[in-house]
Amino acid sequence: SAVISQKPSRDICQRGTSLTIQCQVDSQVTMMFWYRQQPGQSLTLIATANQGSEATYESGFVIDKFPISRPNLTFSTLTVSNMSPEDSSIYLCSARSGRDYGYTFGSGTRLTVV
Amino acid sequence: AQRVTQPEKLLSVFKGAPVELKCNYSYSGSPELFWYVQYSRQRLQLLLRHISRESIKGFTADLNKGETSFHLKKPFAQEEDSAMYYCALVDSSYKLIFGSGTRLLVRP
Repeated sequence: SAVISQKPSRDICQRGTSLTIQCQVDSQVTMMFWYRQQPGQSLTLIATANQGSEATYESGFVIDKFPISRPNLTFSTLTVSNMSPEDSSIYLCSARSGRDYGYTFGSGTRLTVV
Repeated sequence: AQRVTQPEKLLSVFKGAPVELKCNYSYSGSPELFWYVQYSRQRLQLLLRHISRESIKGFTADLNKGETSFHLKKPFAQEEDSAMYYCALVDSSYKLIFGSGTRLLVRP
């Protein structure tokens, strides 16, 4: 399966600022996704990162708040914009391999907004 | 709607006891189902996928289409099995949809 490097692993940010999270996959993958895992909760899908086009967002998530880029088949970024304490969470990226159709996950970014 | 339900938030068993983590799904068609495990302070890891029919770390899961279930089982729990377990379903757009998770606590 693909291996994903995600950074930063954690950050503490001031409210009103933005943070960009990066995910690098060690092989070309067909699909990449971004999830949020709030404290004590399960994973909620934010969006599907589409290569060469705009991301597809799930209900409750908008591009202005969570802009996503995917310039090629191995890399994607998620920006958390104009942060508030409610954005404190773990953010994870995921990739679906075109070879075995399995899903792997990055190690997550633990974000704290103060 | 496509949905995954894990009815138990916490399952506590003693070491050596059998374990069954419940997962029910809602999906029209042939589902693609996974079990993921998240140990404390570690990344989410794939435990099982139903198409491979493997046994990993002594865990097995059988797809029961009649009951729309994919329960995770292990005959003898070990302390190192203590973790969060998530059942997940691939939806019609190839997105992975997660259940709410079950925390397994194996006591000595």
